Amino acid sequence: GAGVSQSPSNKVTEKGKDVELRCDPISGHTALYWYRQSLGQGLEFLIYFQGNSAPDKSGLPSDRFSAERTGGSVSTLTIQRTQQEDSAVYLCASSLVRGPGQPQHFGDGTRLSIL
Amino acid sequence: ILNVEQSPQSLHVQEGDSTNFTCSFPSSNFYALHWYRWETAKSPEALFVMTLNGDEKKKGRISATLNTKEGYSYLYIKGSQPEDSATYLCACRGDGNNRLAFGKGNQVVVIP
Repeated sequence: GAGVSQSPSNKVTEKGKDVELRCDPISGHTALYWYRQSLGQGLEFLIYFQGNSAPDKSGLPSDRFSAERTGGSVSTLTIQRTQQEDSAVYLCASSLVRGPGQPQHFGDGTRLSIL
Repeated sequence: ILNVEQSPQSLHVQEGDSTNFTCSFPSSNFYALHWYRWETAKSPEALFVMTLNGDEKKKGRISATLNTKEGYSYLYIKGSQPEDSATYLCACRGDGNNRLAFGKGNQVVVIP
């Protein structure tokens, strides 16, 4: 079956512009995660959605970042007034349930470059 | 935020040799440990999810062990092949927490 799909795969934009990143999780996966990897850093948690529960936004680095998940499926991550430090690979992952034994399934990521 | 450390950061291995590397994490409040393989231009691929102290898991030539009491996991690659070249990510999840805390990865280059 189809895996996690992310779009666009690459995005180059000017500082100050808004960007929107999209994630299509695996069908039936109730949990969805956003991470990012900045140059030289490990994967950094951003936000977590589980079913209809309120999302865990504790990893969002500033109020310029927001995310939503419509209908329990597709998610969009929006970055307003982008800054150069927002340049990173943004990864989306989904998993079946919150149980400890479930792996996360990742998309190919969006490489975001802020000029 | 859990502090997950991986060492060494990078290593070069001759084809056919075996190798291993370490992931260390806080032993208190442990819930689960994940290993992923991330090849260039691809998505991270799940290798193992381990939850119990003393767990050992194997997938082909790759295996992993877990010690939750002392807070470390080892990943082993037996008879390395060029297709094993990748970054191996370790991630830890604490109890009552939804997030995975990732280490910076072990970058492996297998030399033919």
